[in-house]
Amino acid sequence: DAKTTQPTSMDCAEGRAANLPCNHSTISGNEYVYWYRQIHSQGPQYIIHGLKNNETNEMASLIITEDRKSSTLILPHATLRDTAVYYCIVRVEGTDKLIFGTGTRLQVFP
Amino acid sequence: GAGVSQSPSNKVTEKGKDVELRCDPISGHTALYWYRQSLGQGLEFLIYFQGNSAPDKSGLPSDRFSAERTGGSVSTLTIQRTQQEDSAVYLCASSLQRGSYNEQFFGPGTRLTVL
Repeated sequence: DAKTTQPTSMDCAEGRAANLPCNHSTISGNEYVYWYRQIHSQGPQYIIHGLKNNETNEMASLIITEDRKSSTLILPHATLRDTAVYYCIVRVEGTDKLIFGTGTRLQVFP
Repeated sequence: GAGVSQSPSNKVTEKGKDVELRCDPISGHTALYWYRQSLGQGLEFLIYFQGNSAPDKSGLPSDRFSAERTGGSVSTLTIQRTQQEDSAVYLCASSLQRGSYNEQFFGPGTRLTVL
């Protein structure tokens, strides 16, 4: 299974962009990168996913490097409600199983 | 529509007792997953059901843990002879697999405390 590496924690000022990095150097060609977040005491929430191309939706943007060994989740205008643990996950090829790591704890401050 | 629901929301039990945790997935979702999350930790995959296929049990930590999914809908996770290290939040998720897209919708979890 491709493993992901994320910083343990990050801070971001409210209104600024939050850029959350993730390394997945052992990712295989057909494995997708998924991002979820978990707000305190709630179940995880899907944010975005991608394979090769950059992706954008109403919540965030996902930038994947050309060699696919790393990616960055961008929250363009962070708010206090974006304070959460963000998980970068590589979807196991051939299955729908998601292997969660320990994630990045993002703290947005006023 | 209704999301994933789990019951009970909290369960306190004594060491050695059996417990059953229930998950009601979103109607029509073919895939169902169980995870557990210990205090301050990330999610640990336990088991995955997809349609009528044999479940992927590769994450179950011991033979005290089992799960079933009846009629392709409701699932029950059973822990026999509970131990203190089983204390955690048990999360259920469901998804509707559509090609490469697999967004898992999570329930609120069941907080299990083994005394």
